[in-house]
Amino acid sequence: DSGVTQTPKHLITATGQRVTLRCSPRSGDLSVYWYQQSLDQGLQFLIQYYNGEERAKGNILERFSAQQFPDLHSELNLSSLELGDSALYFCASSVAGDPSSEAFFGQGTRLTVV
Amino acid sequence: QKEVEQDPGPLSVPEGAIVSLNCTYSNSAFQYFMWYRQYSRKGPELLMYTYSSGNKEDGRFTAQVDKSSKYISLFIRDSQPSDSATYLCAIGKGNNRKLIWGLGTSLAVNP
Repeated sequence: DSGVTQTPKHLITATGQRVTLRCSPRSGDLSVYWYQQSLDQGLQFLIQYYNGEERAKGNILERFSAQQFPDLHSELNLSSLELGDSALYFCASSVAGDPSSEAFFGQGTRLTVV
Repeated sequence: QKEVEQDPGPLSVPEGAIVSLNCTYSNSAFQYFMWYRQYSRKGPELLMYTYSSGNKEDGRFTAQVDKSSKYISLFIRDSQPSDSATYLCAIGKGNNRKLIWGLGTSLAVNP
């Protein structure tokens, strides 16, 4: 168990809908990262937060947004969902935001858009 | 051309074999290199992190970086069935974690 908790584990929803994925980082970790993993594109970095502030942005669609709250948990909001958004969404956390600080991954949320 | 290319596998080896996993990358600006292991239905876990050319060893695992050839490798000695997983390379630059990931190589170690 990495100590990173993601909920829900599975989510099935229809096209056009909006969902929220939640991540609780390991105790003491200030940085949270979101990734999307699909079979054809592999792991894609979406966004990083550090202590409530956005730190780095990757290939995150405009329909997606995220935030990190004062208690350091994070939420990823996906709206106007399309079939192609079906994927595994991972959250990871680390103590610091730089690459030398090991990031620990949660077990992921499997999103299926039908 | 993708920024990171990884041998897709799948790779199947007998227990005790030496396994070689490889990635190539296109941009010489990349500075740090990681190898992750991902078991089925789990998140990736960090195996090795290197910041320079050369070899880094940790138990049965050795990471090798050749910046001149833009080539990174992970060697697993005395492979075990518990090593059966997907291995992902990830590379990055700068003081952030905007990692670029390989698609992963699926490894099966047969008892």
